[in-house]
Amino acid sequence: KNEVEQSPQNLTAQEGEFITINCSYSVGISALHWLQQHPGGGIVSLFMLSSGKKKHGRLIATINIQEKHSSLHITASHPRDSAVYICAVRPKGNTDKLLFGTGTRLQVFP
Amino acid sequence: DAMVIQNPRYQVTQFGKPVTLSCSQTLNHNVMYWYQQKSSQAPKLLFHYYDKDFNNEADTPDNFQSRRPNTSFCFLDIRSPGLGDAAMYLCATSRGRAVSYEQYFGPGTRLTVT
Repeated sequence: KNEVEQSPQNLTAQEGEFITINCSYSVGISALHWLQQHPGGGIVSLFMLSSGKKKHGRLIATINIQEKHSSLHITASHPRDSAVYICAVRPKGNTDKLLFGTGTRLQVFP
Repeated sequence: DAMVIQNPRYQVTQFGKPVTLSCSQTLNHNVMYWYQQKSSQAPKLLFHYYDKDFNNEADTPDNFQSRRPNTSFCFLDIRSPGLGDAAMYLCATSRGRAVSYEQYFGPGTRLTVT
């Protein structure tokens, strides 16, 4: 079983819809990252958080350390948001490594 | 713009023919990482350099080697590629190992083995 689980694996939405992607992890962590990967491979870091909530434009990330759970929300989704969204955690005590989820493939249709 | 650059973006090699993938960075970051990502799977860390200090993951096959001749460049050498080595190879950098430092990813090199 992967130490970082994401749901759903695939998500389709109509333009304008509110999107939620969930990430659960089973290890103690010092930080959690949300990453975006477009077709063609490049990965962009969206958020790094260790508590609470962060907002950047239409993107909001929250984390609950006690419940070992994080969510990524996209408000007013747009076709250009179509990508794979990856949750990755930095395990406590191991600063070298990121553990990755397998990603959520999001497609937003006009 | 400061960035992480990977060359080539697409590489085709023959079974057993050595291949080298390149990563360079203009961020002057101390740490450089190589990840392997197979289709529909999460990226898997192969190894990383903290400055000149090489750190190999325990399950990285011996077939995979790396060189970091200077701060800016890091190479991934696959000595005898097998069909199972076909994947996206991602390079990433980080200012340091502390938790507060983010990793910056390159665009990746997609390796095909024929």
